[in-house]
Amino acid sequence: QKEVEQNSGPLSVPEGAIASLNCTYSDRGSQSFFWYRQYSGKSPELIMFIYSNGDKEDGRFTAQLNKASQYVSLLIRDSQPSDSATYLCAVNNDYKLSFGAGTTVTVRA
Amino acid sequence: KAGVTQTPRYLIKTRGQQVTLSCSPISGHRSVSWYQQTPGQGLQFLFEYFSETQRNKGNFPGRFSGRQFSNSRSEMNVSTLELGDSALYLCASSVGTSGNEQFFGPGTRLTVL
Repeated sequence: QKEVEQNSGPLSVPEGAIASLNCTYSDRGSQSFFWYRQYSGKSPELIMFIYSNGDKEDGRFTAQLNKASQYVSLLIRDSQPSDSATYLCAVNNDYKLSFGAGTTVTVRA
Repeated sequence: KAGVTQTPRYLIKTRGQQVTLSCSPISGHRSVSWYQQTPGQGLQFLFEYFSETQRNKGNFPGRFSGRQFSNSRSEMNVSTLELGDSALYLCASSVGTSGNEQFFGPGTRLTVL
């Protein structure tokens, strides 16, 4: 079993729609969770982090965490063409980030 | 505040050679982590340093090594390069407390011929 698994993509959404990304993790003791956005040819950029169960909102992004289900999600509201990228879920344990394989999102105009 | 910087940005080496990559963290950050990104394996953790001490290490052969200096700058070295070492090598810095956010540099693209 992989440490971090993301829903397989690619995910194509129309402009203005909600993009929903999911991630599960295997280590029940994990305490901190991150979403990174990576444009083609660029390095990962941190867009959200969440430590407590529930929802955390930042602009058009909402991260949701359910530790009992070992599940993290990211919602992108009012999707824009500039949101087209690969989104990486990461889980921190012992000073190490474990990454999912990423979900590629394409926002079509 | 300046971001994480990595040098060089691109490298071409041949099999059997060795290479040293450099990373300067964000000012005030004391933790530096290194990751390897390849199309087949994705992003994989190499090692993490804090105050010149390695706190964690990933599952990579001993040819991959690193160190951190007193000013928090870090280097990683790969000896006896193999074709499979071709990858994007990313450095990330954080304040250093467990679970803190990590911020990535632009990466060094290594090509081994």
